[in-house]
Amino acid sequence: EIVLTQSPGTLSLSPGERATLSCRATQSVSNYFAWYQQKPGQAPRLLIYGASSRATGIPDRFSGSGSGTDFIFTISRLEPEDFAVYYCQQYGSSPPKFGQGTKVEIK
Amino acid sequence: EVQLLESGGGLVQPGGSLTVSCAASGFTFSDYAMSWVRQAPGKGLEWVSGISNSGGSTSYADSVKGRFTISRDNSNSFLYLQMHSLRAEDTAMYYCAKDRGNNYQTPRFDPWGQGTLVTVSS
Repeated sequence: EIVLTQSPGTLSLSPGERATLSCRATQSVSNYFAWYQQKPGQAPRLLIYGASSRATGIPDRFSGSGSGTDFIFTISRLEPEDFAVYYCQQYGSSPPKFGQGTKVEIK
Repeated sequence: EVQLLESGGGLVQPGGSLTVSCAASGFTFSDYAMSWVRQAPGKGLEWVSGISNSGGSTSYADSVKGRFTISRDNSNSFLYLQMHSLRAEDTAMYYCAKDRGNNYQTPRFDPWGQGTLVTVSS
């Protein structure tokens, strides 16, 4: 099974700043990679799939990059509603697996 | 608008059984694979099970294999998860999620329902 490791565990930033999150897989998943946002008390929401494609309705301040084993998720300028937990997910092989999450909190 | 509405969660004793359901609307249910994903309180996300669009193929996480059964009713747009021999570690919010295509083994989850809470405790 592929294991995903996200870093950092917590990111403390101010609105307007840039957030950069990382996720590393224990083996290549090509570009079969997604990012989700989860706010307290809510279900996760798909933001990015195919490593870099934005899901429907997702603002362009959210972006993803990477291929193989190393992936980056970026929020170019944090809005107040972006403070949440972000999960990476690989779907290159079964079972699909999630990272442990990165919490983006207000500094 | 795609909507997924889970129901059937509750308190069950260790060793007991429970079935959770997901009512789907706003899309052609029989065209898409579906999954169950769970989240223990304060923890991360764990894929539990997936089913192909026809219901003819299923896949399970090792942690639930042999205890849980996923099924679907394409005529009425419902997804189910039958859970047996429940353990304390099965306590979680159970989300139903639609795949973007028909990838029941390697899905991308979009969207998710709001979840139904299953608590296993004596």
